[in-house]
Amino acid sequence: DTGVSQDPRHKITKRGQNVTFRCDPISEHNRLYWYRQTLGQGPEFLTYFQNEAQLEKSRLLSDRFSAERPKGSFSTLEIQRTEQGDSAMYLCASRSTGGGKTFFGQGTRLTVV
Amino acid sequence: GENVEQHPSTLSVQEGDSAVIKCTYSDSASNYFPWYKQELGKRPQLIIDIRSNVGEKKDQRIAVTLNKTAKHFSLHITETQPEDSAVYFCAASRREGANNLFFGTGTRLTVIP
Repeated sequence: DTGVSQDPRHKITKRGQNVTFRCDPISEHNRLYWYRQTLGQGPEFLTYFQNEAQLEKSRLLSDRFSAERPKGSFSTLEIQRTEQGDSAMYLCASRSTGGGKTFFGQGTRLTVV
Repeated sequence: GENVEQHPSTLSVQEGDSAVIKCTYSDSASNYFPWYKQELGKRPQLIIDIRSNVGEKKDQRIAVTLNKTAKHFSLHITETQPEDSAVYFCAASRREGANNLFFGTGTRLTVIP
């Protein structure tokens, strides 16, 4: 599978713990997005990178969340001091510039207990 | 920001019948409208998309129509098959900035054999 890949696929953590997810986009795509999807809802935009620069963050991204894309390739999303409300599917997506299509990874399902 | 509304939330059709899902959007700056199919526990998969300079696009049994004036777009699936059963999401994206997607709330389509 040469598409967008995410790791881990599932994560169960205790409230208050920190978690980190990884996303490897399609190699030639310079735009990378993080979305969050809760049960029965569509994905909601969290943040966006063009190459290594984080250019936009949504209001959903509280100060407990941080994302990086240090070399403009893979990205990490860290959630500090997790809360039960953070339980969701975290989806990564990538696209090329010039109006390319957006492709999603399989997501990381986070459960905070 | 952009607000995308999607109807119906659930849709059941007999195998072989057609299915239509409708979406409206609020931001006149949106110019790209993809549709994603998401099966349980899997990634959203792009099935068709349309840009604002086109009124209709067809790909085999799937078609999308766009009415820019009314700010609505629709997905049409003809000759439905059981494997079409999934949740379908419409989305809209602005031409400027991050080009992130704003999703509708999804339509659960069930095709009854």
